[in-house]
Amino acid sequence: AQKVTQAQTEISVVEKEDVTLDCVYETRDTTYYLFWYKQPPSGELVFLIRRNSFDEQNEISGRYSWNFQKSTSSFNFTITASQVVDSAVYFCALSENKAAGNKLTFGGGTRVLVKP
Amino acid sequence: DARVTQTPRHKVTEMGQEVTMRCQPILGHNTVFWYRQTMMQGLELLAYFRNRAPLDDSGMPKDRFSAEMPDATLATLKIQPSEPRDSAVYFCASGRWDSPLHFGNGTRLTVT
Repeated sequence: AQKVTQAQTEISVVEKEDVTLDCVYETRDTTYYLFWYKQPPSGELVFLIRRNSFDEQNEISGRYSWNFQKSTSSFNFTITASQVVDSAVYFCALSENKAAGNKLTFGGGTRVLVKP
Repeated sequence: DARVTQTPRHKVTEMGQEVTMRCQPILGHNTVFWYRQTMMQGLELLAYFRNRAPLDDSGMPKDRFSAEMPDATLATLKIQPSEPRDSAVYFCASGRWDSPLHFGNGTRLTVT
């Protein structure tokens, strides 16, 4: 069975601090996809990134960066120089089998509060 | 910018009433998912379809929940009869094999 664990339930930082969100996953599949979604206070779920299990290159997009380490089954997410607009709940997710558009197993989410 | 559209955004109903939630997936997406979000359980998969065929509805309470896709542009989730424990946010999402899931804004259901 697949499982995603986000051990941090809530992180509070002051604006401009960096914040790293941990994600650890379990799967028996050799091919899978990992995702991060953002849920701002307005409630919608916004797709941030998708990574397949064969691509362990880290990725940077603006102030966001992701560190995928297959050896430790982790897919961590860092927000650099956080801003108040980054306040949200962030979900890590795993999709089974080989399809990116397949069903997702979500972690419990990490609430990030960025204070001015 | 294509979006998944869910209606209604909010629904308040009394216990025992029927609730129908609707979802219009993104054109060209062939998979549709229903998720439920609660504080206690987080995001749970209720059911999903591929090419309009139901693939898995094991997450749904079968006696009161039903999910259908009458056509490629409409997915429905019904609860009959509704109970207070069904209060949650219900998300619809659509995708394709080569794309991530895109979520609608959700239907916030309150059953009193």
